[in-house]
Amino acid sequence: EVQLVESGGGLVQPGGSLRLSCAASGFTFSSYWMSWVRQAPGKGLEWVANIKQDGSEKYYVDSVKGRFTISRDNAKNSLYLQMNSLRAEDTAVYYCARGSYSIENWGQGTLVTVSS
Amino acid sequence: SYVLTQPPSVSVAPGKTARITCGGNNIGSKSVHWYQQKPGQAPVLVIYYDSDRPSGIPERFSGSNSGNTATLTISRVEAGDEADYYCQVWDSSSDHAVFGGGTQLTVL
Repeated sequence: EVQLVESGGGLVQPGGSLRLSCAASGFTFSSYWMSWVRQAPGKGLEWVANIKQDGSEKYYVDSVKGRFTISRDNAKNSLYLQMNSLRAEDTAVYYCARGSYSIENWGQGTLVTVSS
Repeated sequence: SYVLTQPPSVSVAPGKTARITCGGNNIGSKSVHWYQQKPGQAPVLVIYYDSDRPSGIPERFSGSNSGNTATLTISRVEAGDEADYYCQVWDSSSDHAVFGGGTQLTVL
């Protein structure tokens, strides 16, 4: 069974940093593109970033370029999202997701709140 | 950037057919994926590549895509189908995934 478990969310002040992690199991992690998708409270889904199987290609939504960095460790079956210079509008549930063109599986999400 | 437009809400009586549209410029040339999200839960893929169903998704869910509109069709709607539904494409011109704004399906 595919499992994606996010961690690292919490309350952070504007301008602060946070690192999200996603532990993957139940599939060959190194064979899949992986993504982060977020959902602001009461709003729709927004794709944030994705990364190729070997980490050689990464893409970001314009609003996070230069502030967020997606990475992965295939030896640890883990996906990461380093978030710097956080803003109030980054407040959302962040989902770890398997896939790129389509999202086959989703984690349960971790809440990031940016507030003073 | 590529924009996907969905109606905010659709209502349907139990046992009837619900159709949720997703509009985009020449969307028929792209592959469309659909997700179901129930309150407090993560999204679930219900249709991928326009009309394919993942294992475990009932045959009542189907999809089509042509011209400027993609459609998710839910036949014989049940109370348990009440959820938000999102369409999504990969925009190769920008290397971005794009989601529609979502449609809330209400079962009357």
